[in-house]
Amino acid sequence: GQQVMQIPQYQHVQEGEDFTTYCNSSTTLSNIQWYKQRPGGHPVFLIQLVKSGEVKKQKRLTFQFGEAKKNSSLHITATQTTDVGTYFCAENTGNQFYFGTGTSLTVIP
Amino acid sequence: EAGVAQSPRYKIIEKRQSVAFWCNPISGHATLYWYQQILGQGPKLLIQFQNNGVVDDSQLPKDRFSAERLKGVDSTLKIQPAKLEDSAVYLCASSLSGRHTEAFFGQGTRLTVV
Repeated sequence: GQQVMQIPQYQHVQEGEDFTTYCNSSTTLSNIQWYKQRPGGHPVFLIQLVKSGEVKKQKRLTFQFGEAKKNSSLHITATQTTDVGTYFCAENTGNQFYFGTGTSLTVIP
Repeated sequence: EAGVAQSPRYKIIEKRQSVAFWCNPISGHATLYWYQQILGQGPKLLIQFQNNGVVDDSQLPKDRFSAERLKGVDSTLKIQPAKLEDSAVYLCASSLSGRHTEAFFGQGTRLTVV
């Protein structure tokens, strides 16, 4: 199945610093979804992007979909300890629903 | 709205034994997924059902793993015989049909094979 790569794999930030994770695909994506998984928890849906160049915001989180629909990013401004977890991107084609490799975020108080 | 239900939450078995997991999706969700998540990795899709039909099972190790969704509602995933490398969290998720739908996950079953 298609593999969506995410970088970095791990990120440690000081509380209050910004954080960005990137999702890259070798093929055009029909959509990109972002999920957050807290330690010991299960993935929880955050947002979906469908249109080329689309940008969506949720409070301190900004999500972007690339113009070529082959990459996406999630940016968190001024991280808080509640942001700790692993962030996954995923593509749902209707017939396949594959997750990226994930970025694990640690926030140091 | 009730979420995706999974049982058991935890299971410890010896290698070569068999094990089964159960999942009840959100009511009305036609699509059901089973994922395997090994510690530190992303969820790996094992099988995807649309109602009671299989849409994608390309990553299911069919020599030891099987899954069914006979009435198009709840589903079971079985491993027989288990290997040490099957130790993982098995996540069930469901969604409405279509490609722009989000997945709702259950709490997962943590399997340890010793």
